[in-house]
Amino acid sequence: QKEVEQNSGPLSVPEGAIASLNCTYSDRVSQSFFWYRQYSGKSPELIMSIYSNGDKEDGRFTAQLNKASQYVSLLIRDSQPSDSATYLCAVPSQSDYKLSFGAGTTVTVRA
Amino acid sequence: NAGVTQTPKFRILKIGQSMTLQCTQDMNHNYMYWYRQDPGMGLKLIYYSVGAGITDKGEVPNGYNVSRSTTEDFPLRLELAAPSQTSVYFCASRSSTDTQYFGPGTRLTVL
Repeated sequence: QKEVEQNSGPLSVPEGAIASLNCTYSDRVSQSFFWYRQYSGKSPELIMSIYSNGDKEDGRFTAQLNKASQYVSLLIRDSQPSDSATYLCAVPSQSDYKLSFGAGTTVTVRA
Repeated sequence: NAGVTQTPKFRILKIGQSMTLQCTQDMNHNYMYWYRQDPGMGLKLIYYSVGAGITDKGEVPNGYNVSRSTTEDFPLRLELAAPSQTSVYFCASRSSTDTQYFGPGTRLTVL
């Protein structure tokens, strides 16, 4: 089992809709979780971090964490064409100093 | 703060040539990482460092070497370049809250 798995894409949503991205992780003791956005040809940039169970909202982005289910999600509300990118879920390894990344989900927002 | 900087931005190498990809961070982070990202694929960890003088292999270290003589700099050396090393290379540093900050990347082509 991969350490971090994301729902396969690509995901195409109409402008104004909600894009829902899912991520599961294998390490039960993980404490922190990150979502990165990567535009084509650019480097990943952090958009959300979440440490506690429940929801965390930042503008149009909401991260949801359920540690019992080892599941973290990202919702993008009122999707805009500028949200078209690949979204990477990342979980720090508790045994060493690495950050495990999912393969990414590519989102395309249709105008 | 400039964050994480990488040079060069682009490079074309001939098979068998060598080069060094430079990475510098000004955030005083102890942890630094080198990733490669092939087209349409996820990030693969090449090498990482937990502090000056300490480095360790990631999942794809063959054909690469690193050194870490200072906290700020973490160069990646390619010896005897091969077409399989054509990729985009990202350097990153990690804060005390586990957040990784990425450089802009180096796009390398080996012909």
